Amino acid sequence: KAGVTQTPRYLIKTRGQQVTLSCSPISGHRSVSWYQQTPGQGLQFLFEYFSETQRNKGNFPGRFSGRQFSNSRSEMNVSTLELGDSALYLCASSDVVGGGNTEAFFGQGTRLTVV
Amino acid sequence: DAKTTQPPSMDCAEGRAANLPCNHSTISGNEYVYWYRQIHSQGPQYIIHGLKNNETNEMASLIITEDRKSSTLILPHATLRDTAVYYCIVRVRSNFGNEKLTFGTGTRLTIIP
Repeated sequence: KAGVTQTPRYLIKTRGQQVTLSCSPISGHRSVSWYQQTPGQGLQFLFEYFSETQRNKGNFPGRFSGRQFSNSRSEMNVSTLELGDSALYLCASSDVVGGGNTEAFFGQGTRLTVV
Repeated sequence: DAKTTQPPSMDCAEGRAANLPCNHSTISGNEYVYWYRQIHSQGPQYIIHGLKNNETNEMASLIITEDRKSSTLILPHATLRDTAVYYCIVRVRSNFGNEKLTFGTGTRLTIIP
């Protein structure tokens, strides 16, 4: 089974621009979560999608948004980029079996640098 | 999700067992203990999880105290490739479609040759 695939792996953007990151979960997994990792704040939860619906959201401004498609692939978008948005963005996929989430499997991440 | 407390760093000699402690004194009855690790600049990797019984898989063993307020992850024969940050997370598993992992600061484990 292929793992979680995130594209692109690296990205450099300018302040004020917007960016879209993509995540393809493990085949059959319906839940996709996004996390931001920075040296100062560590790993922080952004949001989670399950069957195309956002089920949970972390404490991030509205500039951060996402969506999930019918094939479970997910995208996250950050608008009006700020220098502080430079981070490793991680996607995790899991599924629900018997009413409970399976363990989450993470992709390699997209490293975003805002200059 | 309950908060966890881990030592910020630990060293272990190669070939020896690495024992990583985690305190989760406010854990609820329906919360599982999960362990992940993150090797530098990679995505976190799932290691093991448990509810109240001790668990073992090909990577590690998980020992949970009877009162469930603390646990220990054991890497039986540590290798240099086990150098990573290890995260202990408590998580409600029976929560349909509501996935959220709350990561603390973890323990930076360094395996010494």
